[in-house]
Amino acid sequence: AQSVTQLGSHVSVSEGALVLLRCNYSSSVPPYLFWYVQYPNQGLQLLLKYTTGATLVKGINGFEAEFKKSETSFHLTKPSAHMSDAAEYFCAVSDLGTGGFKTIFGAGTRLFVKA
Amino acid sequence: DTEVTQTPKHLVMGMTNKKSLKCEQHMGHRAMYWYKQKAKKPPELMFVYSYEKLSINESVPSRFSPECPNSSLLNLHLHALQPEDSALYLCASSSQGMNTEAFFGQGTRLTVV
Repeated sequence: AQSVTQLGSHVSVSEGALVLLRCNYSSSVPPYLFWYVQYPNQGLQLLLKYTTGATLVKGINGFEAEFKKSETSFHLTKPSAHMSDAAEYFCAVSDLGTGGFKTIFGAGTRLFVKA
Repeated sequence: DTEVTQTPKHLVMGMTNKKSLKCEQHMGHRAMYWYKQKAKKPPELMFVYSYEKLSINESVPSRFSPECPNSSLLNLHLHALQPEDSALYLCASSSQGMNTEAFFGQGTRLTVV
């Protein structure tokens, strides 16, 4: 089975600072990787995804992530944090089991943005 | 229309009640999902429907009963729940394929008293 590990349950940055949220994956086959964001009491929204092709993936709200096979990583970055970026971020991977496809989520990283 | 609509947004029910959560999407997705999310935790997969057939049941207690009446609708019937079942219940849909993302509804905040 495939899995993802998010390093750091909480990350705090100042407004305007670089955002770096870490995700490492475990997969025996080329993975399909996703980053989702969740604002309080809401559902999850896709930020970006990596399937095949370009290893630097650009997403919404100025976020991007780089797929590094040698490091089995898919870290999420944003050059300059905004107060509205404060939320929970989940790294995820697609997994194929006996019943079909499903999404496996990491434990999540709460991003705090200080004024 | 890229929305997944869940109703109700909030639900309080007693342990002897029967209630249903509803989910609707009009994106033509043939895979639909129910997730349970406790506070400060990631979503946990409960059920997957593929082409209106239940394809994955993650060993969910029988007090949760899913139903997929057609390709646009997904229900979760609740009966004799326990207080520990209180959580945010999320519905999602996607196209078939491992490279496709899931679209999530806003969730139903369920409280069992």
